[in-house]
Amino acid sequence: KAGVTQTPRYLIKTRGQQVTLSCSPISGHRSVSWYQQTPGQGLQFLFEYFSETQRNKGNFPGRFSGRQFSNSRSEMNVSTLELGDSALYLCASRLRTSGTGEQYFGPGTRLTVT
Amino acid sequence: TQLLEQSPQFLSIQEGENLTVYCNSSSVFSSLQWYRQEPGEGPVLLVTVVTGGEVKKLKRLTFQFGDARKDSSLHITAAQPGDTGLYLCAGLPTGANNLFFGTGTRLTVIP
Repeated sequence: KAGVTQTPRYLIKTRGQQVTLSCSPISGHRSVSWYQQTPGQGLQFLFEYFSETQRNKGNFPGRFSGRQFSNSRSEMNVSTLELGDSALYLCASRLRTSGTGEQYFGPGTRLTVT
Repeated sequence: TQLLEQSPQFLSIQEGENLTVYCNSSSVFSSLQWYRQEPGEGPVLLVTVVTGGEVKKLKRLTFQFGDARKDSSLHITAAQPGDTGLYLCAGLPTGANNLFFGTGTRLTVIP
């Protein structure tokens, strides 16, 4: 079974621009979560989608948004990029939103904002 | 303030040595997981523990969940260079729906 895939793997953007990242979950997994990983803050939860609905949201500004499609694929958008948005953005999938919470991660998208 | 604090933050040891990584919190978790992340990759799930006092073994790795379900430890016996990576604990607080990750322990095993 193929794992979680994320595109693109690397991205360089300029302050003020916007960016869209894409994630395809493991086949059969209906929940997709997004995380931001930085050296200073570690791994922080952005939001989770299940059946095209946002189910949980972390403590990030409204510039960070996402959506999920009927095939469970998900996109994350960051508008008006700031230097501090430079990070590894990780997508993770699981079968459902309940249970013990295990996440299966993709390789991440490395975003650099200049 | 992080919900889950890991110690040590960095660990550099010689091949063959034993080590223990700790994951502590004042919160109670319904489940706790350990992940390992290598450079350029996403975290990979190693184990999930759900019962207070539970001990799980995965080859040379031993995971323990505290009796009160507030803390956990990871013990590696006879470390090998392939164990090098970032170890992350992650907990699902009682009543919550999303994971909280620990601060991470970066392990380097020197051949």
